[in-house]
Formats: sequence, C-alpha cells, structure tokens
Amino acid sequence: GESVGLHLPTLSVQEGDNSIINCAYSNSASDYFIWYKQESGKGPQFIIDIRSNMDKRQGQRVTVLLNKTVKHLSLQIAATQPGDSAVYFCAESYNAGNMLTFGGGTRLMVKP
Amino acid sequence: EAGVAQSPRYKIIEKRQSVAFWCNPISGHATLYWYQQILGQGPKLLIQFQNNGVVDDSQLPKDRFSAERLKGVDSTLKIQPAKLEDSAVYLCASSRTGDEQYFGPGTRLTVT
Repeated sequence: GESVGLHLPTLSVQEGDNSIINCAYSNSASDYFIWYKQESGKGPQFIIDIRSNMDKRQGQRVTVLLNKTVKHLSLQIAATQPGDSAVYFCAESYNAGNMLTFGGGTRLMVKP
Repeated sequence: EAGVAQSPRYKIIEKRQSVAFWCNPISGHATLYWYQQILGQGPKLLIQFQNNGVVDDSQLPKDRFSAERLKGVDSTLKIQPAKLEDSAVYLCASSRTGDEQYFGPGTRLTVT
C-alpha cells in the first residue's frame, strides 16, 4: 500500500507508554478541530474532535487538548499499542466542520 | 453501514492524458468532498458539494480539473490534461452534518 508519511516528523514510543502528538494551527478564527489517523494505503480515520468553546475532550484512550491562546492542539494516547502506529493529522475549520485545513502530520511508531 | 467507495484504487497515466475518478459516498450523506494528498503531506480540499451544488471549489485548478455530482449521490473528478505534479492520492469523503467526515481509501494516481 501507499506509504503516507515518508518525510514526516516521527515520534517513536515503547508499547504501553503514553504518546503526545502536537499540532500548531494557523487560523485564529478556527472553531472546530479534529484529529485523524491514517494508516498506509487507507484514507484518514476520525479519532476525536473538539470545539473552540472547550479546552479538553476525552475519548477511549485518547485526549485532545486545545490552547487557543497559543493556537496549539495536542493528542494524547494512553497505553500506546502497536495498532496505533500510523500518521496522525490535525485539521482545523472555521466553518462548522466545512473546509477542513489539514496540518502536516506526525508519524507515530510503536516499538513492541 | 458501507463506507465511502472509490475507484479505481490505482491509476498510471502519461502526462497530457486524461483520467477520471469515481466516488460513492455513504448512503444519506449530503456533503461530499474531494481532497488531493501529495506524498508526505496532509490532504488538501479541492471541492465540496452539498447535494449536487458546489459549496467551495476555491482550491480546484479549474483549467485542468473538473468535478460533478449530478444526482446528488455519486461524484466524478476528472483531470485533463494531467501534469507530473498531479501525482498524488485523491481522497473522497462524505458527511451527514458537515462535521465528521468519513474518508474512502483513495485513488493513487501516478503521472509519468
């Protein structure tokens, strides 16, 4: 399959550790943010989203933190597993989820 | 429910040739998106449809790219003539509300 992230920043973690992936967004008017996971040869898969009226949202093993002051978004993955290995993209929107702008992506590699 | 379907999965053409990609969104999803993903980058929105009307096509290179969604369901994206820099994965996504987008597996285009 297609290799998505040949030249992307890479985060390498040990299985069972927590992972933190960071993203700086560009538009101060953005009010909706999403994290996507993309495995090789597949389309992006929704992980978690957050609106600008919140600063934290939790899902199953994942937490998204939003700092609007410095336009920073982070994704925390608890107890990282080999199946979490993929490229992770943040995306922002200023129009209720329409017209998403994706960031450059981070490759997460989980060592067994 | 069935996911977003795309065909073909892979296509190799020579520059100056034409090519078309097909997308079938998830049933009931009114909004359909086409993205271009160049290797190592995040997806870039090309065009967004709401039913069979265009919501945004500001990043579509209209001199060579065209897209249609005649009956508000399936969509085709065409490139004519193709250039080397069009080599990328073309992703189709759909959504019901405009928030969470579901992506298809993509069509990998190689222009030689």
